[in-house]
Amino acid sequence: QQQVKQSPQSLIVQKGGISIINCAYENTAFDYFPWYQQFPGKGPALLIAIRPDVSEKKEGRFTISFNKSAKQFSLHIMDSQPGDSATYFCAASIGDSWGKLQFGAGTQVVVTP
Amino acid sequence: NAGVMQNPRHLVRRRGQEARLRCSPMKGHSHVYWYRQLPEEGLKFMVYLQKENIIDESGMPKERFSAEFPKEGPSILRIQQVVRGDSAAYFCASSPRTGEGLAFFGQGTRLTVV
Repeated sequence: QQQVKQSPQSLIVQKGGISIINCAYENTAFDYFPWYQQFPGKGPALLIAIRPDVSEKKEGRFTISFNKSAKQFSLHIMDSQPGDSATYFCAASIGDSWGKLQFGAGTQVVVTP
Repeated sequence: NAGVMQNPRHLVRRRGQEARLRCSPMKGHSHVYWYRQLPEEGLKFMVYLQKENIIDESGMPKERFSAEFPKEGPSILRIQQVVRGDSAAYFCASSPRTGEGLAFFGQGTRLTVV
């Protein structure tokens, strides 16, 4: 049973466009929601993270929107660049076990020139 | 400040052999987590360790897999009698002992069982 559901599976966006990836979770005990970026052959790299007491967090071109009542959160990549082409994973964890993450299945983003 | 170090980066084993994967956490980090990533899939939690203790092994297969994090040296993920289905990328992550411990991942070990 997948506790974090991610969509879409893949996404193609033009350079300068907005990439939007959505995630939904079931377990209301989750209280930490990071996003990871992974390039082929590399490990996941922490991109941005949010706690449920905040509805939005922005870091550069990356924004997380969080809807606690709907148990959903999303990643927006503004002004998408070819270098953003990667696989993006949402994740969730509980309490002190920050590193015990439930990952979504991933979204492969391709930014065309 | 070195990141999470994993070795080897690539490992080929024949069916029935043993695989040993090593992970050295970031400096100052005493929590280690192991994940497995099958081709075209997300990462699946396997085990959470602190020095000399297994905290949570709920994601570990019941047989053939074991993990340790000794007082000195790296964390080791050991897979005995490997089968083709064990072929995957294995990632280690570490986080600090206290505070909002963001988990940082290593580059992974890609295990191929032939």
